[in-house]
Amino acid sequence: EAQVTQNPRYLITVTGKKLTVTCSQNMNHEYMSWYRQDPGLGLRQIYYSMNVEVTDKGDVPEGYKVSRKEKRNFPLILESPSPNQTSLYFCASSYSLGTGASEQYFGPGTRLTVT
Amino acid sequence: GQQLNQSPQSMFIQEGEDVSMNCTSSSIFNTWLWYKQDPGEGPVLLIALYKAGELTSNGRLTAQFGITRKDSFLNISASIPSDVGIYFCAGQLARGANSKLTFGKGITLSVRP
Repeated sequence: EAQVTQNPRYLITVTGKKLTVTCSQNMNHEYMSWYRQDPGLGLRQIYYSMNVEVTDKGDVPEGYKVSRKEKRNFPLILESPSPNQTSLYFCASSYSLGTGASEQYFGPGTRLTVT
Repeated sequence: GQQLNQSPQSMFIQEGEDVSMNCTSSSIFNTWLWYKQDPGEGPVLLIALYKAGELTSNGRLTAQFGITRKDSFLNISASIPSDVGIYFCAGQLARGANSKLTFGKGITLSVRP
């Protein structure tokens, strides 16, 4: 089954404790992206990657890091989480070229709480 | 920057009713997408529109790409309880992953049995 998976689905952590949220897709998509969803603010892009070893900042990259060492994986790293990073996080992927390039497929989400 | 406007924030309808949602932009987009997000899940793509004036259906859902390229609408006919969720529009200036996908803030749809 074609899908985007994220782990963990739920995470409660404390300020300053480094964490990683994993994202993996099995559709051979070149493009991957991370969003955060907050009430009243909709979906905001954090980082994206056009292909392996190619990453770039989205609209709200502060406090986050990403890496793209393999095509299927795009982990989101919070080196020193703070309470304002409490949010619902989504990973998405798509092809980078062609008709399907606009059609991003989303993972199930990771609800992060930083206390 | 580009912004997409979806209003109202919430809609309440009776089961069996039709509902229409609008999405407007201050700038032109060349691709419009409509997503639905069920509670506790990620957004799922409903319909993709690639041509101004295009009208596309997916079951009880119909979406249109506005002629001005600054708007799109989504119609749901004969609503059912499982239509409950958040409906997002998204626009893209150029086709391709190197062109940013801009999302509206979403409309929360409630369906009364």
